[in-house]
Amino acid sequence: NAGVMQNPRHLVRRRGQEARLRCSPMKGHSHVYWYRQLPEEGLKFMVYLQKENIIDESGMPKERFSAEFPKEGPSILRIQQVVRGDSAAYFCASSPPGQGYNEQFFGPGTRLTVL
Amino acid sequence: GEDVEQSLFLSVREGDSSVINCTYTDSSSTYLYWYKQEPGAGLQLLTYIFSNMDMKQDQRLTVLLNKKDKHLSLRIADTQTGDSAIYFCAEKSGSSASKIIFGSGTRLSIRP
Repeated sequence: NAGVMQNPRHLVRRRGQEARLRCSPMKGHSHVYWYRQLPEEGLKFMVYLQKENIIDESGMPKERFSAEFPKEGPSILRIQQVVRGDSAAYFCASSPPGQGYNEQFFGPGTRLTVL
Repeated sequence: GEDVEQSLFLSVREGDSSVINCTYTDSSSTYLYWYKQEPGAGLQLLTYIFSNMDMKQDQRLTVLLNKKDKHLSLRIADTQTGDSAIYFCAEKSGSSASKIIFGSGTRLSIRP
């Protein structure tokens, strides 16, 4: 049973480009969460999605960031017109439906570097 | 607001016990977690405790919760070099079905 998968593991973008980060939850999990970790800091919640629905996006920056979790395929975190301050590790987590809210399983992260 | 605080560094001798402390502010926390992050890796859930418990033991790990003082600790017995990592304390509020609030992490280093 594969864990949460994220790709790419490392992503380099120049300022102004777009970054697309992908997350495949664990098998059977229908809840996906995105977190951002700035250097030397803890993880900060960004968004919580279920299939085709954004449930809580209270941690998402108002501009340039968007997330989706389509009916088929991975969850995507999209950052448009990246800036240097977007350089961070982005972690995805998943949990099963129903009463699984208490435990989130994390992927290995995507490390985004903006030049 | 919700906040989780922990010290940044801890150094212990191999074979000794490590105690990592954490305080949180949200009185409605339902679950409290300890995650381990090794260099360049994701987060591994070590253990978690429900807020109506005051202690949980799992092999070398002991979690103590003082709900009155909003204080959580993780004790690692017989610390080994493989325990070197960053340890994150985190909590989930009863009012939120989604987000987990993380501390900034405690970097544990092991001396020979």
